Amino acid sequence: GAVVSQHPSWVICKSGTSVKIECRSLDFQATTMFWYRQFPKQSLMLMATSNEGSKATYEQGVEKDKFLINHASLTLSTLTVTSAHPEDSSFYICSARPDFFTDTQYFGPGTRLTVL
Amino acid sequence: EDKVVQSPLSLVVHEGDTVTLNCSYEVTNFRSLLWYKQEKKAPTFLFMLTSSGIEKKSGRLSSILDKKELFSILNITATQTGDSAIYLCAVTLRGTSYGKLTFGQGTILTVHP
Repeated sequence: GAVVSQHPSWVICKSGTSVKIECRSLDFQATTMFWYRQFPKQSLMLMATSNEGSKATYEQGVEKDKFLINHASLTLSTLTVTSAHPEDSSFYICSARPDFFTDTQYFGPGTRLTVL
Repeated sequence: EDKVVQSPLSLVVHEGDTVTLNCSYEVTNFRSLLWYKQEKKAPTFLFMLTSSGIEKKSGRLSSILDKKELFSILNITATQTGDSAIYLCAVTLRGTSYGKLTFGQGTILTVHP
């Protein structure tokens, strides 16, 4: 149980294009999903918290117009990197929390984004 | 500013050794501490600790929390090469930051045969 998927697992795009990453909870409903960014050999940095049916809450320093988050259903959240640049190249991981009363988050397998 | 610090940052051992990973925290409104193991992709959940002094155990892994001294340890006994991974410690808070995980830097564990 508690499986989270991400799609795509990797993507290469040209500078200036937009890329959408999907995060799905496969066997549970997630009222809250989280998006993280991870650089090589570093820890996870929270980018934003996404609650179903409401606007995402972004962490300080994260541009909300660049990283668009949509959480339209209890099993799907999307992160769109708009007008991507090489510095946006990173490993993006989502997580989902099964219910409001648990602290445990289950992570997706991540998406490796490379912007040329 | 909330802070989670893990030590050591990296560790190299041989199969059969026992390792202890440390996680200390300085946060306001502590709620819980979680341990994750990350191999090549997604971090996988190991333990969640909320109470001091109660050991959580799963096979060769065990963990305990000390809320007075503000730290937790993760023990791995009789290590195997499959234990090689990044071990992440994270803290959750009460209040407006409810639900968010604040991660430490991680400990890279390498187990040689």
